[in-house]
Amino acid sequence: GAVVSQHPSRVICKSGTSVKIECRSLDFQATTMFWYRQFPKQSLMLMATSNEGSKATYEQGVEKDKFLINHASLTLSTLTVTSAHPEDSSFYICSARGGGGYTDTQYFGPGTRLTVL
Amino acid sequence: TQLLEQSPQFLSIQEGENLTVYCNSSSVFSSLQWYRQEPGEGPVLLVTVVTGGEVKKLKRLTFQFGDARKDSSLHITAAQPGDTGLYLCAGVLRGSYIPTFGRGTSLIVHP
Repeated sequence: GAVVSQHPSRVICKSGTSVKIECRSLDFQATTMFWYRQFPKQSLMLMATSNEGSKATYEQGVEKDKFLINHASLTLSTLTVTSAHPEDSSFYICSARGGGGYTDTQYFGPGTRLTVL
Repeated sequence: TQLLEQSPQFLSIQEGENLTVYCNSSSVFSSLQWYRQEPGEGPVLLVTVVTGGEVKKLKRLTFQFGDARKDSSLHITAAQPGDTGLYLCAGVLRGSYIPTFGRGTSLIVHP
């Protein structure tokens, strides 16, 4: 199946710093990427939908100035958590839509564990 | 109210038992995906179903899409400890491309 990578896999930072997470589709072009947040033993919470070359669409309650998303190319989207605080600690997962087969299908990255001290 | 109701939320069974996970909705989906996620990793796609009444098999896993494309089920035969994980269904509504996830089913298979 299609491969999506995510970097870094784990990051620990001090409160007030900014953290950038990269999401790449390795063997296909993804016009749409999604960013999710997941709490332990819970389902995925969609944060925003990222379309290449345009502004991201954020879900209700997600601060766009806090979570900056840039989808600069068909294979790369980045999520920057600005001025991170301990409550931002979570598991962040990206997915890319497409990759052959059914266009509705999403392929997920391995996730990034963010810990803010 | 969840658009996609997934049940059960938790399941703890012994090796060798059978189980079924359900995803139900009052909305019609153009497609529905099932994923399995292990702790600390991203969800891995198991199957995509698009045709009403469709049945797909993946070794001991059987996936069914309802005739009206409003519901789906995942049946595991003779569960093994390696099946342990969080199972997620995700449906894409007709006319949309943004998936809706169920709450997930956390499965533990004891040896």
